[in-house]
Amino acid sequence: GQNIDQPTEMTATEGAIVQINCTYQTSGFNGLFWYQQHAGEAPTFLSYNVLDGLEEKGRFSSFLSRSKGYSYLLLKELQMKDSASYLCAVMDSNYQLIWGAGTKLIIKP
Amino acid sequence: DAMVIQNPRYQVTQFGKPVTLSCSQTLNHNVMYWYQQKSSQAPKLLFHYYDKDFNNEADTPDNFQSRRPNTSFCFLDIRSPGLGDAAMYLCATSRTQGDGSPLHFGNGTRLTVT
Repeated sequence: GQNIDQPTEMTATEGAIVQINCTYQTSGFNGLFWYQQHAGEAPTFLSYNVLDGLEEKGRFSSFLSRSKGYSYLLLKELQMKDSASYLCAVMDSNYQLIWGAGTKLIIKP
Repeated sequence: DAMVIQNPRYQVTQFGKPVTLSCSQTLNHNVMYWYQQKSSQAPKLLFHYYDKDFNNEADTPDNFQSRRPNTSFCFLDIRSPGLGDAAMYLCATSRTQGDGSPLHFGNGTRLTVT
């Protein structure tokens, strides 16, 4: 079966750096997405990786290793507003998105 | 601003009473999706349309139906809601599939079944 694994919850301190990992096992691979979802709201798009390596976008970066079935989202200079769930989603060979359950990130002052 | 709009934001219905959720988009995207999301779970795809081409996920219950009368609008009909159907329903669009086009989500409709 297809599977996306992410930690359920992480805690970090305001101003610090946090890395959220995602491992996947899917039928084929056509890219990996990261979304941010605040409580009670809809997911918003953060990043897309289809080739190996690091993509940097301001305070957020996303890394992909296709051979390892692994990605991470790196958040720098954490702010209180970054408290949210972060969802990893992989597009399989049928162009269907397989979603992880999300990592709830708690930021403490 | 181009966007995805869902109405209503909150919907309360009675057990067994049909309910319709609506979604509209001004992005002119080809693909529209309906997801169900329960607390702390991954979004679960119910249906998607590529233009008028309807795609029903294999495990979507028959209780759920969908309509896309034109490019801009999509509806989710729940014929006989049960308590287990209480969830956030998310409508999303994408320009296409397979080229990294991200999904753009509406704000969701939170359905309560009493």
